[in-house]
Amino acid sequence: EIVLTQSPATLSLSPGERATLSCRASQSVSSYLAWYQQKPGQAPRLLIYDASNRATGIPARFSGSGSGTDFTLTISSLEPEDFAVYYCQQRSNWLFTFGGGTKVEIK
Amino acid sequence: QVQLVQSGAEVKKPGASVKVSCKASGYTFTSYDINWVRQATGQGLEWMGWMNPNSGNTGYAQKFQGRVTMTRNTSISTAYMELSSLRSEDTAVYYCARVPDFNWFDPWGQGTLVTVSS
Repeated sequence: EIVLTQSPATLSLSPGERATLSCRASQSVSSYLAWYQQKPGQAPRLLIYDASNRATGIPARFSGSGSGTDFTLTISSLEPEDFAVYYCQQRSNWLFTFGGGTKVEIK
Repeated sequence: QVQLVQSGAEVKKPGASVKVSCKASGYTFTSYDINWVRQATGQGLEWMGWMNPNSGNTGYAQKFQGRVTMTRNTSISTAYMELSSLRSEDTAVYYCARVPDFNWFDPWGQGTLVTVSS
């Protein structure tokens, strides 16, 4: 099973700042990595698929990069609605795994 | 629009079973896999398994093998997840999610809270 490790666990930033979230896989997942945003009491929402493609309706301030084992989600300038928990996810064969999440909180 | 609507909250006693439904609309139900993911309060996301609504084929995470069953009724575009031998650690929100292109989940259902308590 491929393990995804997200860092940091918590990111304390102010609105307008840049957020950089990391996701590291225990073995290569090629570009088959997705990112989700989850707000309290809500279901996760797809942000990025295949490492760097924004999902429909996702603002351009969200971007994803990486391949192999190291991936990054960048929020170029935090808006108030961006403070949430972010998860990465991969598929290997027919097994899916999620990272432990990064909470982006208001500083 | 593509939507998944899940059944309501459940309270079950330890040892019982629970069956959660997930009704799809806005697309051809048999064209995309449905997966199930759960989340305990304050915890991360845990993948449980997948089902192909066309064939009925399934695949389960090893942790849930023998306790989970995923089925569907294509006539009403609804997927089901049944978890048996419930214990307190199974208390969580259970989500269904569509897999539109093999590798990611979109959209997700609104979630169903299952509480296991004596």
